[in-house]
Amino acid sequence: DIQMTQSPSSLSASVGDRVTITCRASQGIRNDLGWYQQKPGKAPKRLIYAASSLQSGVPSRFSGSGSGTEFTLTISSLQPEDFATYYCLQHNSYPPWTFGQGTKVEIK
Amino acid sequence: EVQLVESGGGLVQPGGSLRLSCSASGFTFSSYAMHWVRQAPGKGLEYVSAISSNGGSTYYADSVKGRFTISRDNSKNTLYLQMSSLRAEDTAVYYCVKGDSSSWCPDYWGQGTLVTVSS
Repeated sequence: DIQMTQSPSSLSASVGDRVTITCRASQGIRNDLGWYQQKPGKAPKRLIYAASSLQSGVPSRFSGSGSGTEFTLTISSLQPEDFATYYCLQHNSYPPWTFGQGTKVEIK
Repeated sequence: EVQLVESGGGLVQPGGSLRLSCSASGFTFSSYAMHWVRQAPGKGLEYVSAISSNGGSTYYADSVKGRFTISRDNSKNTLYLQMSSLRAEDTAVYYCVKGDSSSWCPDYWGQGTLVTVSS
């Protein structure tokens, strides 16, 4: 199985900060990676697909990059509504599809 | 607008069975792979199972293999998850998730249904 190691597990940031979250795959997955945002008590929402493509309707302050084994999600200017938990997901080799452990973004 | 509405969750005793349903609308259900993903209380997301658009291919996480069965009825736009031999560690919110058109990558999620396994 491919393991996805996500870091950090949590971070504190202020409104307006630039935030970067990283996912590393245990083996190459090309660009078969998605990023998801989950707010408390709500279902996840896809932000990024194919590692760097922005889901329709998602603000442009979100961006994704990477290929192979290392991927990043960047929020260029953190907004109050962005405080949430973020997950990566690989869909290159399955089963199983595998999620990262999650990164909780909290208010500093 | 894509809508996925799960039902069938509830309290069940260890060793019991439960069937989850997911009613889909707003897209051509028969054209897309579908997934079940779960989240235990306070924990991260865990892939459970997936099924191809015509139901001909199914996939399971090792943790549920042999106990859960995924199926779909394209005439009713409905996805199912039959769960048996339930354990306490199966307690979670179960999400129905649509796969995207080209890669099966999960895109749209339902609101989830809570399954609690306890005596």
